[in-house]
Amino acid sequence: DIQLTQSPSFLSASVGDRVTVSCRASQGIGTSLAWYQQKPGAAPSLLIFAASTLQTGVPSRFSGSGSGTEFSLTISSLQPEDFATYFCQQLYSYPITFGLGTRLEIK
Amino acid sequence: QVRLQESGPGLVKPSQTLSLTCTVSVGYITDGSFYWSWIRQTAGQRLEWIGRINSRGATDYNPSLKSRVAISVDTSRNQFSLRLRSVTAADTAVYYCVREGVTVMVDYYYYMGAWGKGTTVTVSS
Repeated sequence: DIQLTQSPSFLSASVGDRVTVSCRASQGIGTSLAWYQQKPGAAPSLLIFAASTLQTGVPSRFSGSGSGTEFSLTISSLQPEDFATYFCQQLYSYPITFGLGTRLEIK
Repeated sequence: QVRLQESGPGLVKPSQTLSLTCTVSVGYITDGSFYWSWIRQTAGQRLEWIGRINSRGATDYNPSLKSRVAISVDTSRNQFSLRLRSVTAADTAVYYCVREGVTVMVDYYYYMGAWGKGTTVTVSS
């Protein structure tokens, strides 16, 4: 199975900050990576797929980059509604796997 | 906008079979553009892909669960279902049904664009 290592696991930041979450794959996955946001009590919600393609309706302050084994999710200017947990997911090979998540909290 | 809704018992005894159904509304499960998946999330927030099925009934399963899991589709009811046999406490989780789409941009890219709200299943005697 392809392992995804997210860092950091916990991030404290303020409204207006620029933050970056990293995701490293245990083997090359091209750009077959997605990012999800999850708020407490809710299902994950797709933000980005194909490493850098923004899902329809997702604000442009979210962006994704990377290929191969190194990926990142950046939020350019944090808004109050962005404080949540973020997961990366690889869909390059089966079984599909997820990172363990990055919890983003208000400083 | 497609909607997915999980249903089934919230409590299952150890060694028994967990059975969940996902009802798809505002969209057809026969749409060959999509796969229909089950994903679970344990109390520690870990997400685990269980498996998927397409409208023709072709399945893929997580090898870690393959010996115990079966996913089926009922096109007449616009539903797909999960059965997980011989459950233990380790199967306690929130179970989500998910629609997996694909887009073609030089290559094929899959993504999970629509999720049900999830249903909590506890395995306990």
